[in-house]
Amino acid sequence: NAGVMQNPRHLVRRRGQEARLRCSPMKGHSHVYWYRQLPEEGLKFMVYLQKENIIDESGMPKERFSAEFPKEGPSILRIQQVVRGDSAAYFCASSPGSSGTYNEQFFGPGTRLTVL
Amino acid sequence: DQQVKQNSPSLSVQEGRISILNCDYTNSMFDYFLWYKKYPAEGPTFLISISSIKDKNEDGRFTVFLNKSAKHLSLHIVPSQPGDSAVYFCAAKGAGTASKLTFGTGTRLQVTL
Repeated sequence: NAGVMQNPRHLVRRRGQEARLRCSPMKGHSHVYWYRQLPEEGLKFMVYLQKENIIDESGMPKERFSAEFPKEGPSILRIQQVVRGDSAAYFCASSPGSSGTYNEQFFGPGTRLTVL
Repeated sequence: DQQVKQNSPSLSVQEGRISILNCDYTNSMFDYFLWYKKYPAEGPTFLISISSIKDKNEDGRFTVFLNKSAKHLSLHIVPSQPGDSAVYFCAAKGAGTASKLTFGTGTRLQVTL
């Protein structure tokens, strides 16, 4: 009965490097959401994906950030050329697709990105 | 524009007493509301939710009340326990089968002995 899994839990990058964050949704869930939490703030929506499709990316910065959820494998949030302002906790959540409860989203433990 | 607001950053309650956490929203298109509990260095854990067609939902020690006309909801925890000490986030969702959550900034609850 594994929950949402994220790795790595902690990631340190130098300015200009790339960061790749992975998320495996709960079994049977086909909707994945990425949120970012800056220090002392609430969670902010970034992107919502279903298998092989981006449904809503209204919260994602236009440059340097991208996300995918391939047919096989985990969802990936990719940040290119990281800057210090990207330092935050990144949370992935999942919810069921065609059946079950649509409204609740279940969160992973997060990836804490530190940019030096 | 903060569409979901939790105006109390912190709350301290004695063990055994009632904890009341408040949340206000501005977007009348929100139709589902959720409360999450978060410990440091962990992800948010779903606690309880309520649809906009209801005004109350209860689950054990947790009750959520929704006042649509005031665009206000509250989470009641009774009796409060030390293990309830955490940050509580209110979240809202728009209409549709699955869509993004809009979170408040959180209230840190401290339950003292």
